[in-house]
Amino acid sequence: GAVVSQHPSRVICKSGTSVKIECRSLDFQATTMFWYRQFPKQSLMLMATSNEGSKATYEQGVEKDKFLINHASLTLSTLTVTSAHPEDSSFYICSAARTPFWGYTFGSGTRLTVV
Amino acid sequence: GENVEQHPSTLSVQEGDSAVIKCTYSDSASNYFPWYKQELGKRPQLIIDIRSNVGEKKDQRIAVTLNKTAKHFSLHITETQPEDSAVYFCAASPNPNNAGNMLTFGGGTRLMVKP
Repeated sequence: GAVVSQHPSRVICKSGTSVKIECRSLDFQATTMFWYRQFPKQSLMLMATSNEGSKATYEQGVEKDKFLINHASLTLSTLTVTSAHPEDSSFYICSAARTPFWGYTFGSGTRLTVV
Repeated sequence: GENVEQHPSTLSVQEGDSAVIKCTYSDSASNYFPWYKQELGKRPQLIIDIRSNVGEKKDQRIAVTLNKTAKHFSLHITETQPEDSAVYFCAASPNPNNAGNMLTFGGGTRLMVKP
């Protein structure tokens, strides 16, 4: 079945530094990649949607200059959290979709802790 | 945009009993309704989904019903087992055949099955 590999699974960084999270679709081409953020005991909240080769579309309230998304190929999308602050600590998870649609495939998630 | 409400937020049942989780949605254009099970720190796992041209779908102990007129859908788990304990999310998406259409998640239900 479709697999999305997400790395790293856990990362601890200092305030003010940047962190890059990668999602790779291993056995299919991801037309679209969705990036979600999940705070403890809360639901998944969509941050942005990216299509290969074009700029990401960000949800209201999500700073595009802080959360940089790159979807340079049909198998790789990255999320870079720039100038991280403790309030950015969360579980970040990607989800890929392809055309024709066969479901949304989730990455394994990245637990980001900013100290 | 779409808004998905999910109830209850927590549900405790005795092993062997049934569990029912209900969701409502606001966008009449939504026509794909998946349910996910998420264990702590893990990715959401699809357990069942339904499209708007179907009113009910069943897979062993799990069933989903959809009422498009009322804009609500429900998850039914029969003969619950302790390993069913997790957080369950409903979600909705318009025309998933367009891979760019995002999923909107409900707030989640923490299901606890007591042995």
